[in-house]
Amino acid sequence: QVQLVQSGAEVKKPGASVKISCKASEYAFSGFAIHWVRRAPGQSLEWMGWINIDNGDTKYSQKFQDRVTITRDTSARTAYMELSSLRSEDTAVYHCVTNPGLGRLDPWGQGTLVTVSS
Amino acid sequence: DIVMTQTPLSSPVTLGQPASISCRSSQSLVHSDGNTYLSWLHQRPGQPPRLLIYKISNRFSGVPDRFSGSGAGTDFTLKISRVEAEDVGVYYCMQATRLITFGQGTRLEIK
Repeated sequence: QVQLVQSGAEVKKPGASVKISCKASEYAFSGFAIHWVRRAPGQSLEWMGWINIDNGDTKYSQKFQDRVTITRDTSARTAYMELSSLRSEDTAVYHCVTNPGLGRLDPWGQGTLVTVSS
Repeated sequence: DIVMTQTPLSSPVTLGQPASISCRSSQSLVHSDGNTYLSWLHQRPGQPPRLLIYKISNRFSGVPDRFSGSGAGTDFTLKISRVEAEDVGVYYCMQATRLITFGQGTRLEIK
């Protein structure tokens, strides 16, 4: 089963961008999608978007459509999520997660804390 | 977007007793392929979420059989037959029929 390891915590100023990486373990990096989900303090889980690892197709939540970009580097077995125009409300733990089938989000990366503060 | 509403938001339970969480969607979760993509996840403090149930009632790999899911259309339920200490945390319902949305979460705590 694939395991996902994310990059470390980030501290950013309002208006800046952040790019988080999600590296898959020794495993065939194909045949699945990677989703990005965040959880802000005191809030529920929030889906941001996903990328098809095989062809690079993406789909984003309407809420983040204008600010998020999800990419992948198949040679590095890594997916990336970049969020721009950061504001304090973007302070959250961001997770990548695979889906072995529709509606099955598992396993999850360990999470990356992004703090947006002036 | 499909809105997912969970009840209760907090559930104090006694060890060994059953627990139940409800989830209602703002529209039917029946997909055009005939499946209903309603899942349940569990998140312990400081850990990433873990998938428990998918497609209403299918337990994911390694999930104990004290967890069960049921429902149809817009109304769904997660039941724990006998709560154990490791079951504390927040439970989320999630729909994947039209993009992905989550419920607000239900915090399970031991009395």
